[in-house]
Amino acid sequence: AQSVTQLGSHVSVSEGALVLLRCNYSSSVPPYLFWYVQYPNQGLQLLLKYTTGATLVKGINGFEAEFKKSETSFHLTKPSAHMSDAAEYFCAVTLSGNTPLVFGKGTRLSVIA
Amino acid sequence: GAVVSQHPSRVICKSGTSVKIECRSLDFQATTMFWYRQFPKKSLMLMATSNEGSKATYEQGVEKDKFLINHASLTLSTLTVTSAHPEDSSFYICSAIGTSSPDTQYFGPGTRLTVL
Repeated sequence: AQSVTQLGSHVSVSEGALVLLRCNYSSSVPPYLFWYVQYPNQGLQLLLKYTTGATLVKGINGFEAEFKKSETSFHLTKPSAHMSDAAEYFCAVTLSGNTPLVFGKGTRLSVIA
Repeated sequence: GAVVSQHPSRVICKSGTSVKIECRSLDFQATTMFWYRQFPKKSLMLMATSNEGSKATYEQGVEKDKFLINHASLTLSTLTVTSAHPEDSSFYICSAIGTSSPDTQYFGPGTRLTVL
């Protein structure tokens, strides 16, 4: 069975500061990993994904994440936070493309002016 | 591309009534759709997996007779909450996988159900 742990239910950063949202996963086979963002009362928007190949993946809005198999991690980063980045972020794992996603509990990102 | 819509976005109904929620893939054919439920400030909980033309596969603990799922075409899946009760109030989100990008789920905007 797969699982996802997101460290920190709430992260607060200053505008312009580095954003680091942590995600560790557990999977018996090579996983597919995703980061989604959710704004209040909206659905989930895909930020980026890792399936195979290059372990550093770049996504939308300046976000990127690195798949580290040895650490079973897929942390999300952004060099400089914007006010518009304030939202809920979910890390998710699945075995393959057409199987259900297993989500972490989410991390709420606040950006302070 | 890869747009998923849901209708309605918000619905309020009386206890005992049934509510239908539609999930549509607007610009791609969705071979598989998933239905999730999200409680306030919580993560998403998978309810069921729906494949076009076949019966949905429900997760353990989800009542099949209460949450009826139909995936009649490659662009439409519906979730009907039958005999709704206040505890069914929640945010329901669907996602879809298309043949062109089979490794990615695209999510709808969600439906807020409030049962009075």
